[in-house]
Amino acid sequence: NAGVTQTPKFQVLKTGQSMTLQCAQDMNHNSMYWYRQDPGMGLRLIYYSASEGTTDKGEVPNGYNVSRLNKREFSLRLESAAPSQTSVYFCASRWDRGYEQYFGPGTRLTVT
Amino acid sequence: EDQVTQSPEALRLQEGESSSLNCSYTVSGLRGLFWYRQDPGKGPEFLFTLYSAGEEKEKERLKATLTKKESFLHITAPKPEDSATYLCAVQAANAGNMLTFGGGTRLMVKP
Repeated sequence: NAGVTQTPKFQVLKTGQSMTLQCAQDMNHNSMYWYRQDPGMGLRLIYYSASEGTTDKGEVPNGYNVSRLNKREFSLRLESAAPSQTSVYFCASRWDRGYEQYFGPGTRLTVT
Repeated sequence: EDQVTQSPEALRLQEGESSSLNCSYTVSGLRGLFWYRQDPGKGPEFLFTLYSAGEEKEKERLKATLTKKESFLHITAPKPEDSATYLCAVQAANAGNMLTFGGGTRLMVKP
């Protein structure tokens, strides 16, 4: 039981490049989330998916797109990376019968 | 607007020196309050959920308590391995699927 996994762990992009961050969970959770964590800003929600086939914007969705590929996988795409998107990105999932979320190990992204 | 404020931002303790971390919150209807531990370079690790005022949860040297306005994470006789950032988050009744996080308290325990 791996929990929530994320790939890659580290990534460096140049301004304007695109990339997709991958997330998968093996806990049979319906809800999945993408956060970014910046010094002094805490964890901020980018997008979430309450169930397979649905996605909703969070607090800071601009510049990102998401895809809920199936119940296990939820990807985050940066179409044209900007230096302001330099951050640590966390994926999380939640079981329907509780409100606590379980986090992956994170992806550290640097945009130059 | 839902708000979560944690204090202090950083706390240095000697091994064995007990203390408390504070999480003050303002929400319209609390569904749950959560404590997480985050080690450097890792994702937040779930510790506790508290649902109503007066509730307490314990795990090893950690004890979380909840009132109508704040939560405390009490650390009894801490060890260096308790050093981490502790995050507090709330689930509000009108927030759907979303948690609101505080800024965290960075705890350093010296041997």
